[in-house]
Amino acid sequence: VTLLEQNPRWRLVPRGQAVNLRCILKNSQYPWMSWYQQDLQKQLQWLFTLRSPGDKEVKSLPGADYLATRVTDTELRLQVANMSQGRTLYCTCSAEKGLGGRGNTGQLYFGEGSKLTVL
Amino acid sequence: AQKVTQTQTSISVMEKTTVTMDCVYETQDSSYFLFWYKQTASGEIVFLIRQDSYKKENATVGHYSLNFQKPKSSIGLIITATQIEDSAVYFCAMREVYNAGAKLTFGGGTRLTVRP
Repeated sequence: VTLLEQNPRWRLVPRGQAVNLRCILKNSQYPWMSWYQQDLQKQLQWLFTLRSPGDKEVKSLPGADYLATRVTDTELRLQVANMSQGRTLYCTCSAEKGLGGRGNTGQLYFGEGSKLTVL
Repeated sequence: AQKVTQTQTSISVMEKTTVTMDCVYETQDSSYFLFWYKQTASGEIVFLIRQDSYKKENATVGHYSLNFQKPKSSIGLIITATQIEDSAVYFCAMREVYNAGAKLTFGGGTRLTVRP
């Protein structure tokens, strides 16, 4: 059973429009949820880690603006806005048990990603 | 700040041979985790193997093993008896140990092609 479900898996984004991504966690024992972005050159870059419902963070990077929200214990959202024209971007969510201290294996589990292409 | 570098952008090998992928890292942390993940054609990122910085012995899982050289800040991935389905992009990554939820810092990836 897949731990993380992402939707949509692919979206064509009209220029100037924002897109909302969802990441659903199937097992609440992995409370640390994160978003990573990946460009066409495959470079993976951490965006956010949100632990608790109600947590929000914003970030601006070259090529896109991001707003992440931890909606519930099992749902993480990402709004991507102001993407550069002609750009393709992958956004992947992850989850971790995050036991802390020496009990922490540090292992992340990833979703299958969402592909965004700006028209 | 942490940095991870994979200098090999792509490698092609024959099936059933052994391949080594290189990775070097930079960190100020005294304790850290080092990982290798692979990304399949579907886009899924799958955990392969982990090395704890405070352990001297190299980690081994199935046909994956690590060559951890701490003085050189190097963590190579060795895949023995490669199979066609090992073709994927392989990422080296690191993070600090004790901070739950700490971010993972990735290298740029190495694309492995296994030929029949």
